[in-house]
Amino acid sequence: KAGVTQTPRYLIKTRGQQVTLSCSPISGHRSVSWYQQTPGQGLQFLFEYFSETQRNKGNFPGRFSGRQFSNSRSEMNVSTLELGDSALYLCASSLAENGFSTDTQYFGPGTRLTVL
Amino acid sequence: GENVEQHPSTLSVQEGDSAVIKCTYSDSASNYFPWYKQELGKRPQLIIDIRSNVGEKKDQRIAVTLNKTAKHFSLHITETQPEDSAVYFCAASLITDKLIFGTGTRLQVFP
Repeated sequence: KAGVTQTPRYLIKTRGQQVTLSCSPISGHRSVSWYQQTPGQGLQFLFEYFSETQRNKGNFPGRFSGRQFSNSRSEMNVSTLELGDSALYLCASSLAENGFSTDTQYFGPGTRLTVL
Repeated sequence: GENVEQHPSTLSVQEGDSAVIKCTYSDSASNYFPWYKQELGKRPQLIIDIRSNVGEKKDQRIAVTLNKTAKHFSLHITETQPEDSAVYFCAASLITDKLIFGTGTRLQVFP
């Protein structure tokens, strides 16, 4: 099976702009989680989607949002970008066979966002 | 909410020695504890995980131990090799809840 894919891989934006990142999970996986990775804060949980519904949410401002489509693909959006949003954004998918998001999570390669 | 502390932040060992990374968690209800390895410029990859109904799990040179009473779990790598050099992350979660990651340990294995 193909692994988790993310597009684009690299992105440069300026402050105040918005950005949309895409994640395609492993075929058959129903849960998609998003994480922000920065050198100072490590891996921080953004949100998790299961069956097109946001099931868990981390402690990020409302500028960060996401959605999941019926084919389990997911997008996350960041509006009004700030310099501090520069990070590697990782998504991870899991089978969630029994509805449990803590089935093994497989990470995508990430999208590196730079905000100037 | 859950909080995961990870120590040490950096670890240097000689090839062939053992390496131990320790994590503590705050939510006694947590029941899933994975470990991820992230090489430079690559995605995190699961190397081993353990659930709360098991005290120890081994996979070749890697083992994880869990002490539910003390709320800590550890990663043990034996006979370390240069290719083990990477950043290792522990995580903890309550089933159906989000994964909370530790801050990472940079392991360097010197030949």
